[in-house]
Amino acid sequence: NAGVMQNPRHLVRRRGQEARLRCSPMKGHSHVYWYRQLPEEGLKFMVYLQKENIIDESGMPKERFSAEFPKEGPSILRIQQVVRGDSAAYFCATRKDRVNEKLFFGSGTQLSVL
Amino acid sequence: AQRVTQPEKLLSVFKGAPVELKCNYSYSGSPELFWYVQYSRQRLQLLLRHISRESIKGFTADLNKGETSFHLKKPFAQEEDSAMYYCALSAQGGSEKLVFGKGTKLTVNP
Repeated sequence: NAGVMQNPRHLVRRRGQEARLRCSPMKGHSHVYWYRQLPEEGLKFMVYLQKENIIDESGMPKERFSAEFPKEGPSILRIQQVVRGDSAAYFCATRKDRVNEKLFFGSGTQLSVL
Repeated sequence: AQRVTQPEKLLSVFKGAPVELKCNYSYSGSPELFWYVQYSRQRLQLLLRHISRESIKGFTADLNKGETSFHLKKPFAQEEDSAMYYCALSAQGGSEKLVFGKGTKLTVNP
């Protein structure tokens, strides 16, 4: 089991382009959380998804950001029309479908907006 | 509002010395507290959680509701303990999303 896989590890985009970040959960994990980490800051919750459903998106910016977790395939965090302030490390974490299950983190995607 | 404060950005100790990483939280309900660790070039991973009341790699943490603290302690630090440590909180019964502190970088010198 390779653990939670995130790709790409590094993503460079110019202002106005789209960024698509992927998160493949561990086998048997149906819950996905996305976090963003700005330099010198802690991780900030963005969105929580369970297969095909968004459960909690209270940390997502109202515009340009969206997330999905389809029945088949990885979870995708999509940022449209990126701006310099979107530059950050984006982490996903996944867990099994049981209460108090341990959370496993991916290695993160470092997004740089030029 | 939920908040986690780690007052020390950097902490440096010598091998064999005791170490305490401070964590204070703000939450009106009954929280669940965690310590996560990130070693150099590795993923963030769970170190311990207060409901387990266990000791991992010699580290312990006690939830003090009166002082709203969850300090991480180890009596004798080792060089391999050098890492970034994050305290985190989640609201019980909710979506289990985590609120993280800004982290403390621990360096254990030989």
